[in-house]
Amino acid sequence: DAKTTQPPSMDCAEGRAANLPCNHSTISGNEYVYWYRQIHSQGPQYIIHGLKNNETNEMASLIITEDRKSSTLILPHATLRDTAVYYCIVREVWGRGAQKLVFGQGTRLTINP
Amino acid sequence: DSGVTQTPKHLITATGQRVTLRCSPRSGDLSVYWYQQSLDQGLQFLIQYYNGEERAKGNILERFSAQQFPDLHSELNLSSLELGDSALYFCASSVDWADTQYFGPGTRLTVL
Repeated sequence: DAKTTQPPSMDCAEGRAANLPCNHSTISGNEYVYWYRQIHSQGPQYIIHGLKNNETNEMASLIITEDRKSSTLILPHATLRDTAVYYCIVREVWGRGAQKLVFGQGTRLTINP
Repeated sequence: DSGVTQTPKHLITATGQRVTLRCSPRSGDLSVYWYQQSLDQGLQFLIQYYNGEERAKGNILERFSAQQFPDLHSELNLSSLELGDSALYFCASSVDWADTQYFGPGTRLTVL
C-alpha cells in the first residue's frame, strides 16, 4: 500500500503558484520523498525528490516539514501544460539493491485559464 | 523525452496469446523496472532488474516473466493473456539501484 495521502483533486489559476500537499506520517528516516506527474496516459515524469532539506530545481520546489511527516510540492507559475496527475511517493529501498515506487491515487491538478 | 524507449507503442491481441514487450534503458543505466497501469489498479510495480539480475518482485503474475540482457535492454513476457491484462505497461530505468527512476512512454496492451 502507498505510504502517502494526497487530496484527489485541486484547481489552480494559470500564472499562480500551485501548492500540492502530501502526508507521509509513517516515513522512515532514510526514505526519500519523490514527486512524479503523469499527463494523460504518458509515462510518469520525474519532478523532484528530497530527504530532509527543501529542494528546488527548474520545475518545482519541494518543502518537507521538520518532522518529515508531510511535504508540499510547489509549481511557482503554473501553466496549462501543468495539468496532470501528481504523485507523491515514499520510495522503498531494501535488501540487496532493491527499489520500488508505490504509487497511490495522486492529485489531479487542473490549471484554469 | 526521458531517454527510455519502449516498443511497440500499441499491441492488440487475443485471449490466450503470448506477447513480448521491449524496453531500452537510458544510456548508462544499469537498473530496469516494469510497472503496470490498469484502470482499476492504478500504477503497480511488477519487477526490477539490476545489471542482469532480478532484484525485486512486486505484484507480478506467474504468467508474466521478465529478463534483462547483457546489453541491458529488458523484455517483459506476458502469456496466456486474459482480458484483465489489458493495461499500459511502463518501463523505467535508473543509473544505479538507488537512483531516480525515469519512465518510458509505455506500451498499451489490449486483449480482445
